[in-house]
Amino acid sequence: DAGVTQSPTHLIKTRGQQVTLRCSPKSGHDTVSWYQQALGQGPQFIFQYYEEEERQRGNFPDRFSGHQFPNYSSELNVNALLLGDSALYLCASSLWGLRTEAFFGQGTRLTVV
Amino acid sequence: AQSVTQLGSHVSVSEGALVLLRCNYSSSVPPYLFWYVQYPNQGLQLLLKYTTGATLVKGINGFEAEFKKSETSFHLTKPSAHMSDAAEYFCAVAFNDYKLSFGAGTTVTVRA
Repeated sequence: DAGVTQSPTHLIKTRGQQVTLRCSPKSGHDTVSWYQQALGQGPQFIFQYYEEEERQRGNFPDRFSGHQFPNYSSELNVNALLLGDSALYLCASSLWGLRTEAFFGQGTRLTVV
Repeated sequence: AQSVTQLGSHVSVSEGALVLLRCNYSSSVPPYLFWYVQYPNQGLQLLLKYTTGATLVKGINGFEAEFKKSETSFHLTKPSAHMSDAAEYFCAVAFNDYKLSFGAGTTVTVRA
């Protein structure tokens, strides 16, 4: 079982650019959630996808958008990057309807310069 | 508003000493409670969780936590610290909306 995989592991972008991060959930999981972890802080919930629809959204601007594919994998897109978007982006997979456990990937470290 | 508070951003313990990390939540409804560990440049690994039932929960690597509803707390303990316990620890809660809300984290250093 490969667990949750994220790509790329590191990324450097220029302010104003757009970025796409990818996540493959753990085998058997159907729900993907994205979190942003700024340096020295706890992860903050961005949004959650199930059945290819955004089910919940945290307090993030519309510049943050996502997608879930039929194979349950997911993308996180961020437009018009700001310096403040620099963070570790974590993907978590779980089974819809169960709050018992979310499995996290290793994350993508995004640096905006 | 529901929130999670971790008391102490840094904890330093001697190898072999007790590790105690504090977590309190604010909610009128008991949530599901979790402790995660994060090693440098890695994702989050679940240490243990409380959903329902027994309030003393045992996790991996010798950690355990006790849910105290009257104190709205879920403190994490380990009787004897090991050098490999040096990491960042996050308390998290989940309510009916299924998303995880995390505390700010506690960094643990272990002195030889």
